[in-house]
Amino acid sequence: GENVEQHPSTLSVQEGDSAVIKCTYSDSASNYFPWYKQELGKGPQLIIDIRSNVGEKKDQRIAVTLNKTAKHFSLHITETQPEDSAVYFCAASNSVSGGYQKVTFGTGTKLQVIP
Amino acid sequence: EPEVTQTPSHQVTQMGQEVILRCVPISNHLYFYWYRQILGQKVEFLVSFYNNEISEKSEIFDDQFSVERPDGSNFTLKIRSTKLEDSAMYFCAHQGTGHKRTEAFFGQGTRLTVV
Repeated sequence: GENVEQHPSTLSVQEGDSAVIKCTYSDSASNYFPWYKQELGKGPQLIIDIRSNVGEKKDQRIAVTLNKTAKHFSLHITETQPEDSAVYFCAASNSVSGGYQKVTFGTGTKLQVIP
Repeated sequence: EPEVTQTPSHQVTQMGQEVILRCVPISNHLYFYWYRQILGQKVEFLVSFYNNEISEKSEIFDDQFSVERPDGSNFTLKIRSTKLEDSAMYFCAHQGTGHKRTEAFFGQGTRLTVV
């Protein structure tokens, strides 16, 4: 089955700096890579995703990159703000169009943005 | 964005007791999932459910676990005889429809504490 590794496990940055979280996956059949933000006491919330036919995607201060050959993908947060502090999970899935999707999560990164 | 509602938010039970965790379905969603997150660890897949039957389950999902969605009502996870190691956050997830059909929306979770 799929195995997703995530680094670092904790990350502290000064407000306004950038944060980068990196993940690798093992199953070359995985074609959908969501990123989730989990705040204390809440469930994972999708913040951005990327599909295997795309190398990069950006949404305001958040961007994701995907290298299919190397089987790794990354989350970049620019101009970090205190409200970005949370646990971030990368994930991988072999998503059948319009159909079943089981998500395999990474181990999580606890991001702390210091004001 | 669709909301996935789970009840109860917190359940305390004695070891050996049965518990039922509930998830309120969103209309038109076809795929349902249960995930588990032991404190401080990553989110783990338990089971997926489609068309009133299990489509995939992990090795965690042993004979103590069962899921059902009778008559299109709540999607439930039952643990027949709880163990201490069942203590965790349990998240229900639904798969979206239309252009968001590959997104999995997570509920806020049920914190299960087995004593």
